[in-house]
Amino acid sequence: EAQVTQNPRYLITVTGKKLTVTCSQNMNHEYMSWYRQDPGLGLRQIYYSMNVEVTDKGDVPEGYKVSRKEKRNFPLILESPSPNQTSLYFCASSLYPPGATNTGELFFGEGSRLTVL
Amino acid sequence: SQQGEEDPQALSIQEGENATMNCSYKTSINNLQWYRQNSGRGLVHLILIRSNEREKHSGRLRVTLDTSKKSSSLLITASRAADTASYFCATASYGQNFVFGPGTRLSVLP
Repeated sequence: EAQVTQNPRYLITVTGKKLTVTCSQNMNHEYMSWYRQDPGLGLRQIYYSMNVEVTDKGDVPEGYKVSRKEKRNFPLILESPSPNQTSLYFCASSLYPPGATNTGELFFGEGSRLTVL
Repeated sequence: SQQGEEDPQALSIQEGENATMNCSYKTSINNLQWYRQNSGRGLVHLILIRSNEREKHSGRLRVTLDTSKKSSSLLITASRAADTASYFCATASYGQNFVFGPGTRLSVLP
């Protein structure tokens, strides 16, 4: 089954304790992206990757890191989480980048709800 | 940078009625997509319309695109309680990333 898998789905942690949210897709997609969703603010892009070893900042990258060593995986790293990073996080992927002529839909994971105390 | 803006923010209708949501955007686009999100879940793609298309249908969904007005509408006909969700438009432009609007919360009452 074609899917984007995120883990963990739920996490409560404390300020400063490094954590990683994993994301994996099984569709051989080139493009992957991380979003955070907060009430009243909609979906905001954190980082994205056009392909392996190519990553770039989105609209709200502060406090986050990513890597794209393999095509299927795109982990989100919070080196020193703070309470303002409490949010619902989504990983998404698509076959081609959004600006491409033949771009298609984004496939989303089920989300990771993170609480930082 | 916010591109798409949905309108209304919230919509409440009775089962069987039609629901119309609108999306406005600011710059030229390659395509516009609509997504649905059930509470706290991942977004699910509904329909994609390219900049050279004016209307598309998929089951009970009808999407229109007016590039001169930089707007799109999503019509859900004969709504069902299961259509209760938030609906987002997302625009994609050449050389740009997907940009999502804040969404419309649709409630379909039985």
